[in-house]
Amino acid sequence: DAMVIQNPRYQVTQFGKPVTLSCSQTLNHNVMYWYQQKSSQAPKLLFHYYDKDFNNEADTPDNFQSRRPNTSFCFLDIRSPGLGDAAMYLCATREGYEVYLTEAFFGQGTRLTVV
Amino acid sequence: AQSVSQHNHHVILSEAASLELGCNYSYGGTVNLFWYVQYPGQHLQLLLKYFSGDPLVKGIKGFEAEFIKSKFSFNLRKPSVQWSDTAEYFCAVTPRKYSGGGADGLTFGKGTHLIIQP
Repeated sequence: DAMVIQNPRYQVTQFGKPVTLSCSQTLNHNVMYWYQQKSSQAPKLLFHYYDKDFNNEADTPDNFQSRRPNTSFCFLDIRSPGLGDAAMYLCATREGYEVYLTEAFFGQGTRLTVV
Repeated sequence: AQSVSQHNHHVILSEAASLELGCNYSYGGTVNLFWYVQYPGQHLQLLLKYFSGDPLVKGIKGFEAEFIKSKFSFNLRKPSVQWSDTAEYFCAVTPRKYSGGGADGLTFGKGTHLIIQP
């Protein structure tokens, strides 16, 4: 019973060619996060949505954008992928109304390869 | 900003051995603490969490962790590991809020790759 679903699991894109990764959830959580995880590194928060409010981390490159058309779906857009953007991208959700009581739920991730 | 340090990046143990994975955090305020596990090919899932109260918390699959505030530590333990515990283990923190809403993301350590040999 997958609750946070990421598609595709593996994505290969060309250098400079825009790519979109998707995430959907069945938990009805109001917070959705995108993390980037490079090999042997900690997952790094890129941005999150609290309902429709978008919050960008200060060091997230402008090359990364996100859209959340409704509660269930969130997209990560990489406008011009570079070789350094090859990574695992993790989507997570969390109930934010009583955040002091809650934990995050993760999808399986999308492994992005840039060629 | 907070940071998390996991001391061991690769650990190899034999079945039935005892396990302790170290985690230290740095943050000027109070935090919520988590251990997540990622089995091969699967998503990150919660092992256990500490929000408040008893600093010794028990999680799934026989894991436990102890929060020692004076040491800023949240070490993960299991008395006897199994082959199925082979996975990547991540310690994570988030600033603690006592009420209301919020969306602070998790700050993760780099992870510990645990291999259990039969």
